Amino acid sequence: QVQLVESGGGVVQPGRSLRLSCAVSGFTFRNYGFHWVRQAPGKGLEWVAAIWSDGSVEYYLDSVKGRFIISRDDSKNTLYLQMNSLGAEDTAVYYCARDINVGSLDFGYWGQGTLVTVSS
Amino acid sequence: EIVLTQSPATLSLSPGERATLSCRASQSVNSYLVWYQQRPGQAPRLLIYDASNRATGVPARFSGSGSGTDFTLTISSLEPEDFAVYYCQHRSNWPLTFGGGTKVEI
Repeated sequence: QVQLVESGGGVVQPGRSLRLSCAVSGFTFRNYGFHWVRQAPGKGLEWVAAIWSDGSVEYYLDSVKGRFIISRDDSKNTLYLQMNSLGAEDTAVYYCARDINVGSLDFGYWGQGTLVTVSS
Repeated sequence: EIVLTQSPATLSLSPGERATLSCRASQSVNSYLVWYQQRPGQAPRLLIYDASNRATGVPARFSGSGSGTDFTLTISSLEPEDFAVYYCQHRSNWPLTFGGGTKVEI
């Protein structure tokens, strides 16, 4: 069955970097685009970044543009989110998600999330 | 950026009652509107895509309607497991955005 498993979260100081990973199984990784969606504690959902199935196109939320980089390694069936210059506003549970269908831009499959806490 | 406004913020109902949740977009999203359910401590679950299509495995008591800027999620008869937070999301253009959520509580 479809599985997405995030890792790499933790406590990080303001201004530092962190890389999240999302290991995927149960389907052909290279056929799908992926997203990162976050949820601050007690708050709603916020889309963060997306990457096309062939890795050729990336989109970012304005507030993370220039600081976050989404990437993928098809040989490892893994999605990444490199987060730089972290601030308190980035504290959230980060979910990786896959479209229901190729290019549908809806989040049909989700991981369990990984918590990132930015604090000194 | 398209802003999605959900109402009400909280809906207090009893099992067996009908729930009607609203999502309004700041500009037309055609039918590119998705609904999710999120229970405490869990990842969201996709319920409805393209405004009115139920995802695989979603019970028939969930239905979606609307197009353009006004959308509705209806739960015909609430089951105990339906008490959760519901979000709408558009996929019309970038950035993808979510509504602020409606909490359905007992």
